[in-house]
Amino acid sequence: AQSVTQLDSQVPVFEEAPVELRCNYSSSVSVYLFWYVQYPNQGLQLLLKYLSGSTLVKGINGFEAEFNKSQTSFHLRKPSVHISDTAEYFCAVSDDSGTYKYIFGTGTRLKVLA
Amino acid sequence: GAVVSQHPSRVICKSGTSVKIECRSLDFQATTMFWYRQFPKKSLMLMATSNEGSKATYEQGVEKDKFLINHASLTLSTLTVTSAHPEDSSFYICSARDLRETDTQYFGPGTRLTVL
Repeated sequence: AQSVTQLDSQVPVFEEAPVELRCNYSSSVSVYLFWYVQYPNQGLQLLLKYLSGSTLVKGINGFEAEFNKSQTSFHLRKPSVHISDTAEYFCAVSDDSGTYKYIFGTGTRLKVLA
Repeated sequence: GAVVSQHPSRVICKSGTSVKIECRSLDFQATTMFWYRQFPKKSLMLMATSNEGSKATYEQGVEKDKFLINHASLTLSTLTVTSAHPEDSSFYICSARDLRETDTQYFGPGTRLTVL
């Protein structure tokens, strides 16, 4: 069975500082990995995804993530955050078995401080 | 980009009544849509997978008679909460899988259901 762990429930960071949101997964098969952002009372917006190929994936809003198979991680990073990045961030894994289901992590609340 | 809409965005109903929530893929076709429930400050819980033209597949513990799902076309899936009770109050989010990007789900903006 697959699972996703987001160890940090909350991450406070000052504006213009770098940030890393951690995501670890477990799976016995090849996986697709995703990061989504959720603003208050809204749905989820896709930030970036890893399907195959280059392990460094660039997404929207200046975010990037690196797939590390040996460490089963897919950490999200941004070199300089803005107040507007304050939101909930979810990591998700989808297997390639054909069900297309996602398993979500518990989310990390990023709070950017002025 | 792929856009998914939900209607209504917010609904308040009395206990015992039924509520229908629509999920539409606006600029793409989706043979598969998913319905999630999200509790306050919690992650998303997959309720069911909706396949166009066939019966939905429910996750363990989800009452199929209470949460009726219909996926009548490639752009529309509906979730009906029947005989709603206060414990059904929640944020319901749908997502749709783009046929051209089979690996990626695009999410709707969510529906806030409050049952009095």
